[in-house]
Amino acid sequence: EVQLVESGGGLVQPGGSLRLSCAASGFTFSSYEMNWVRQAPGKGLEWVSYISSSGSTIYYADSVKGRFTISRDNAKNSLYLQMNSLRAEDTAVYYCARGPGLIDYWGQGTLVTVSS
Amino acid sequence: VIWMTQSPSLLSASTGDRVTISCRMSQGISSYLAWYQQKPGKAPELLIYAASTLQSGVPSRFSGSGSGTDFTLTISCLQSEDFATYYCQQYYSFPWTFGQGTKVEIK
Repeated sequence: EVQLVESGGGLVQPGGSLRLSCAASGFTFSSYEMNWVRQAPGKGLEWVSYISSSGSTIYYADSVKGRFTISRDNAKNSLYLQMNSLRAEDTAVYYCARGPGLIDYWGQGTLVTVSS
Repeated sequence: VIWMTQSPSLLSASTGDRVTISCRMSQGISSYLAWYQQKPGKAPELLIYAASTLQSGVPSRFSGSGSGTDFTLTISCLQSEDFATYYCQQYYSFPWTFGQGTKVEIK
């Protein structure tokens, strides 16, 4: 069974940093492209970042470019999102999501709240 | 950036109804379109990809059509478990974008 389990969310002050992790199991992690997608409270879905299976190709949404860094450790079956210079508008549930475009599996999400 | 217009934003319907949701792109995306269902407090679930291919395990009352710029999700006979929010998503080019969502509620 495919499982994606996010962790690392919480309350952080504006300008602060947070690192999200996603533990993958039930599939060959190193063979799959991965993403982070977020959803602000009561709002729609927003794609945040993509990383290829090897980690050699990365894309970001303009809203997070230069502040967020996606990475992966295939030996540990893990995906990460380093978030710096956080803003109130980054408050959202962050989902770890598998797929090369279409997303066939999603984690349960971790809530990030940016507030003073 | 490819902009998406999803309509309607709210759809009131009854069990057994046939409902359609539309998604229009600002430029052609071939068939690189997916549809997702999301229930409150849960992660989205993939329903349809490549505009019309049903994801494994998804009931056949769901169907998708379209290519280029205009796409449709149809639920042929609405069931109680189908009351949820639906999103379209293009994966033709980065940044991938989602529609604004359509909430299907009980009339």
